[in-house]
Amino acid sequence: GIQVEQSPPDLILQEGANSTLRCNFSDSVNNLQWFHQNPWGQLINLFYIPSGTKQNGRLSATTVATERYSLLYISSSQTTDSGVYFCAVEPRDTDKLIFGTGTRLQVFP
Amino acid sequence: NAGVTQTPKFQVLKTGQSMTLQCAQDMNHEYMSWYRQDPGMGLRLIHYSVGAGITDQGEVPNGYNVSRSTTEDFPLRLLSAAPSQTSVYFCASSYSAPGPNYGYTFGSGTRLTVV
Repeated sequence: GIQVEQSPPDLILQEGANSTLRCNFSDSVNNLQWFHQNPWGQLINLFYIPSGTKQNGRLSATTVATERYSLLYISSSQTTDSGVYFCAVEPRDTDKLIFGTGTRLQVFP
Repeated sequence: NAGVTQTPKFQVLKTGQSMTLQCAQDMNHEYMSWYRQDPGMGLRLIHYSVGAGITDQGEVPNGYNVSRSTTEDFPLRLLSAAPSQTSVYFCASSYSAPGPNYGYTFGSGTRLTVV
């Protein structure tokens, strides 16, 4: 099956810093989404981005489908950005959204 | 409030007991799915449904059954609970085709402990 690897596994930042999270996947995909799981366990969809670039406030994401990776950028990080960030992909010819291993982000004041 | 509602939020079962985790959505989403999340890990797909009357297996289907008799509801049944099924279970829904505001919506989860 498809492999979805995220890096780094852990990231510790001071408030105000910028960061880049990476998602590599091993096969062609129809669908790629980024999620944030907050410290209380709630999962929030950040982006649907099978290709191209999108921005939403301090967050932006870029997917280069031909090279099988996606990047999530967080600028001017805040303590509320803490949690785990997941990338999830849907391989072509399936209806299954497969999650990566996650990046745990801690932002300190 | 529009969204995905999961019940119960917490449950303790004894080994061998059966139970049903409920999931309901009011967004008229065609697609629904169940995931489990073990401590410190990502989410693994158990079962999914692309519409009423249609279900299929995900990555870890053993020990679980599902049905989809209506668009709104997608219950997950544990047939004979085992300690290995101790986990947090999430239900999700989405439109079947990308469009404006496309993306999965998750419920708040059910924390299940099997003793």
